Amino acid sequence: LAKTTQPISMDSYEGQEVNITCSHNNIATNDYITWYQQFPSQGPRFIIQGYKTKVTNEVASLFIPADRKSSTLSLPRVSLSDTAVYYCLVGADKLIFGTGTRLQVFP
Amino acid sequence: DTGVSQDPRHKITKRGQNVTFRCDPISEHNRLYWYRQTLGQGPEFLTYFQNEAQLEKSRLLSDRFSAERPKGSFSTLEIQRTEQGDSAMYLCASSSSHAGTGFYTTFGSGTRLTVV
Repeated sequence: LAKTTQPISMDSYEGQEVNITCSHNNIATNDYITWYQQFPSQGPRFIIQGYKTKVTNEVASLFIPADRKSSTLSLPRVSLSDTAVYYCLVGADKLIFGTGTRLQVFP
Repeated sequence: DTGVSQDPRHKITKRGQNVTFRCDPISEHNRLYWYRQTLGQGPEFLTYFQNEAQLEKSRLLSDRFSAERPKGSFSTLEIQRTEQGDSAMYLCASSSSHAGTGFYTTFGSGTRLTVV
């Protein structure tokens, strides 16, 4: 399974756009890129998934370059409630988590 | 669709006791996963089922751990002779292998196990 690398932590302020980049150099042809959000004492929650180019939903955008060796999760205008751990995963049959990116949003 | 349900939410047990957790996946999902998560770490994959077949087990899953999904619906995870190192959040998740455009996995809220 492709291994992912992402920053351990990031800080931001309310109202700013946050971009979290993940590298996955060994992504396989049939792997999708999926991002999850996790709050303390809760299970991870699906945010967005993509295969290539750009995907946008009501909470985030996912940018994937043509070589698919990296991806960037973009959170527009973050609020305090976006403080959480964000995981980037690649795979098709099962998800292998890394340690994620701990995002802290300050007022 | 009420999502993935896990029971109990919390369990405190004495070292050496056996515990069993239950997971009810989303009804139309044929895949079911178990993960374990300790403080500050990402979820660690333990095992997964497609329908009633257990397709993969992690080496993290010692012989004290056993998971079943007898009818391809709910699943149980049993830990025998619990040890303090088993204290963790146990997460269940489900997904569909038939998803036409990729897939995503839906997680339950987990069962927090404390071994004293």
